[in-house]
Amino acid sequence: AQKITQTQPGMFVQEKEAVTLDCTYDTSDQSYGLFWYKQPSSGEMIFLIYQGSYDEQNATEGRYSLNFQKARKSANLVISASQLGDSAMYFCAIGGTSYGKLTFGQGTILTVHP
Amino acid sequence: GAVVSQHPSWVICKSGTSVKIECRSLDFQATTMFWYRQFPKQSLMLMATSNEGSKATYEQGVEKDKFLINHASLTLSTLTVTSAHPEDSSFYICSARERQGGARSYEQYFGPGTRLTVT
Repeated sequence: AQKITQTQPGMFVQEKEAVTLDCTYDTSDQSYGLFWYKQPSSGEMIFLIYQGSYDEQNATEGRYSLNFQKARKSANLVISASQLGDSAMYFCAIGGTSYGKLTFGQGTILTVHP
Repeated sequence: GAVVSQHPSWVICKSGTSVKIECRSLDFQATTMFWYRQFPKQSLMLMATSNEGSKATYEQGVEKDKFLINHASLTLSTLTVTSAHPEDSSFYICSARERQGGARSYEQYFGPGTRLTVT
């Protein structure tokens, strides 16, 4: 079984500041992957970043980085230098080799203030 | 690469009619496609998983006869909402998985979604 927990329904951040969105997970798979998606008001799911369970280094993609702590089963997303366009809903998801599906968290609505 | 399209992007239909939503993988062959439903400010809820040439596997609580899924080719899956009612109004998103096995084999590419309103 797989489970993702996002405990922050909403987050606020000032423009140009950094923000961390929390994600904890549970899985019975040894090999799995963690994904973060951004969903703006238009509804499209935009892939942000991926972390494999065996990756030794934390993933980074531009202003996005993933703080992966395997022992704590957490995969927090860090957005540096927030922009107004970052205001959206963010989903953490997990996929594993045995389960075949992605399991999503409840999502966090991020609002960036000017 | 890995682009998934959905058509239509939005649709309004009358109660009791059926509506079909198409999901296409444009530049890859999708061994598996997924259909999700999403209500405002909520997470994606998986409705069903479809593999090309075989019957879809529905999640618990999803009515098979109401939400007909066909995965006729490696690039096309369709969702038909039959005898739609206002409570079926929602945002429907499809996704596609390119390959089995290997790293990131469970990665999915998402379509832009279809907003269905039943009046």
